[in-house]
Amino acid sequence: GENVEQHPSTLSVQEGDSAVIKCTYSDSASNYFPWYKQELGKGPQLIIDIRSNVGEKKDQRIAVTLNKTAKHFSLHITETQPEDSAVYFCAARVNNAGNMLTFGGGTRLMVKP
Amino acid sequence: KAGVTQTPRYLIKTRGQQVTLSCSPISGHRSVSWYQQTPGQGLQFLFEYFSETQRNKGNFPGRFSGRQFSNSRSEMNVSTLELGDSALYLCASSLEQGDQPQHFGDGTRLSIL
Repeated sequence: GENVEQHPSTLSVQEGDSAVIKCTYSDSASNYFPWYKQELGKGPQLIIDIRSNVGEKKDQRIAVTLNKTAKHFSLHITETQPEDSAVYFCAARVNNAGNMLTFGGGTRLMVKP
Repeated sequence: KAGVTQTPRYLIKTRGQQVTLSCSPISGHRSVSWYQQTPGQGLQFLFEYFSETQRNKGNFPGRFSGRQFSNSRSEMNVSTLELGDSALYLCASSLEQGDQPQHFGDGTRLSIL
């Protein structure tokens, strides 16, 4: 089955700096890659997603890139703010496998004011 | 539009008991998936329901089961509870099968004593 690795497990940045979180996946049949942000006591919140026919997608301070050949995808957050502090999860979904998501292990992002 | 609603938010049970958790998807969403989140194993897929049929099942024992009703609301049941079943159980809904973003509820925190 699909396996998703996520790095780093923790990331500390100064407010205003950029943060990058990287994920790799194993199943070349995966075609949908969402990113979720989870705050304490809350469920994961979808922040951005990308499909395999697109190499990059941007939404204000957040961007995601996908390299299908290398089976890598990354989340980029620019101009980080303290409210960006949370745990971030990447995930992959295999084509024709319904809505089953395989998640990475998560990255705890801390933005220091 | 109301989000995914999970009840109850917190539950305490003892070993050997059984438990039923409830999930009301976003209005109009027909696919409901369940995930287990623990510090050790992360987010793991339990099963997915679409149009009252189980479409996918993760690698969990038969003690974990679920169902979906005609109004798309879903329940999951865990029988003969074990200490290791202590976790945050998350429900996610999406419009249709495949290629649609999933949105999560805030989960039910189950503690086994």
